[in-house]
Order: sequence, then structure tokens, then C-alpha cells
Amino acid sequence: DQQVKQNSPSLSVQEGRISILNCDYTNSMFDYFLWYKKYPAEGPTFLISISSIKDKNEDGRFTVFLNKSAKHLSLHIVPSQPGDSAVYFCAARGGTSGTYKYIFGTGTRLKVLA
Amino acid sequence: EPEVTQTPSHQVTQMGQEVILRCVPISNHLYFYWYRQILGQKVEFLVSFYNNEISEKSEIFDDQFSVERPDGSNFTLKIRSTKLEDSAMYFCASVRDSASYEQYFGPGTRLTVT
Repeated sequence: DQQVKQNSPSLSVQEGRISILNCDYTNSMFDYFLWYKKYPAEGPTFLISISSIKDKNEDGRFTVFLNKSAKHLSLHIVPSQPGDSAVYFCAARGGTSGTYKYIFGTGTRLKVLA
Repeated sequence: EPEVTQTPSHQVTQMGQEVILRCVPISNHLYFYWYRQILGQKVEFLVSFYNNEISEKSEIFDDQFSVERPDGSNFTLKIRSTKLEDSAMYFCASVRDSASYEQYFGPGTRLTVT
């Protein structure tokens, strides 16, 4: 039961260009969506989030777009930098206060080429 | 900056042995989680813990697993009788309060069952 899916296991982008990472979900009850970045041998690091009542959230070079009707979100990184090379996980939060649960996608490995 | 810590960084154990993975969440956080990531696969939710009890657990979290917060700072995951398929990275995470959604992850413990 894959409630959160990242269909692209990897993505390569030239430095300075836009990176677009995609995520699809099936459960319309998720209330927050989050993107995490993960380097090898480290834990995931929170990057940016979006509430289910919004359609866009921007933080510096990172923008997350949410299309609720399509149950789809995307992370845009502009301009991409070599230091952005990592695995990116999409996660969704479900449940209620005290019982929150986060479901992660399978990750997309981003490689930014210098 | 406060951070989640985990010990040990790597644990090797024989099949059938008990292991205890330790985590020290950020001190004023109230919600705690354990996840695992089998090599190359997605980050999988195991269990969430709030107010000194389990609030949610996944189907992976069977009777072989238990969690405890013995002293108000440590948060432990015990696997009673390890199997080969328990080999994975185990991540602990914490969330500040019910109004927060950002999870802070520890660096992980690599468990190798031989």
C-alpha cells in the first residue's frame, strides 16, 4: 500500500538549471506534506513543507507546489547547485494530534552536474 | 543548535540476539518516532510515541519490537530476537509539539544482523 509515491528514482540536472522533483499521494486526509533531503550516512533533514490548504510555499531557492485535485506535489529547486546533490524524500502527515504518522516516498536521487 | 542523537552508530549482532537502539530526542520535544530504511529502499514508519505510550505503530512493529522512554531523555527501540531482515538503518525523530510538523531526525544506527 504505497500511499506516497516518487516515481523517479533519479534525476540529473545541470548546475544553474531547475530541478523538479515529483510526488504523488493517494490519501486525501493528509494535512501536511514535507520534503526532506538526505545525504549518505546521515538522517533526513527537513527542507520545506506545505499545508494541504495551500497550493504553493516558497523558501529561497526551494518552492513546493501542491495540486490537491491531482494529489500531486512537486519541489522546484532554482538554481540547482552541486551541493543539492542528495536523495530527496517526499513525506505526508496523517492522523490527528497525538497520533500523527508520517508516510515517506521511496526517494529521488538528485545529481547536480557542475 | 539542539539535535537528535543516536547510539551506537553501527551495531552488529547475531540472529536471535536482542538489541537496544538508543536515541536522545531534542529536550523539549513531545512526540517521538522510530523509522527504518532497508538499504536502497524507502524510509518506513515503525512507531510513534507520545505521553509515555505508543500512539501509532505500523504492521512492521510486531511483538519483537518495543519502545521505551525510561528516564525522560532517552528513547529506546528494542528488538527482542533479531532476524536477518531486521538489518537496516534505524532513525529516531522528534517533533516539538502538536502545532509543529517538522520532524528532526537523528543520524541513524546501522544494524547488521548476521
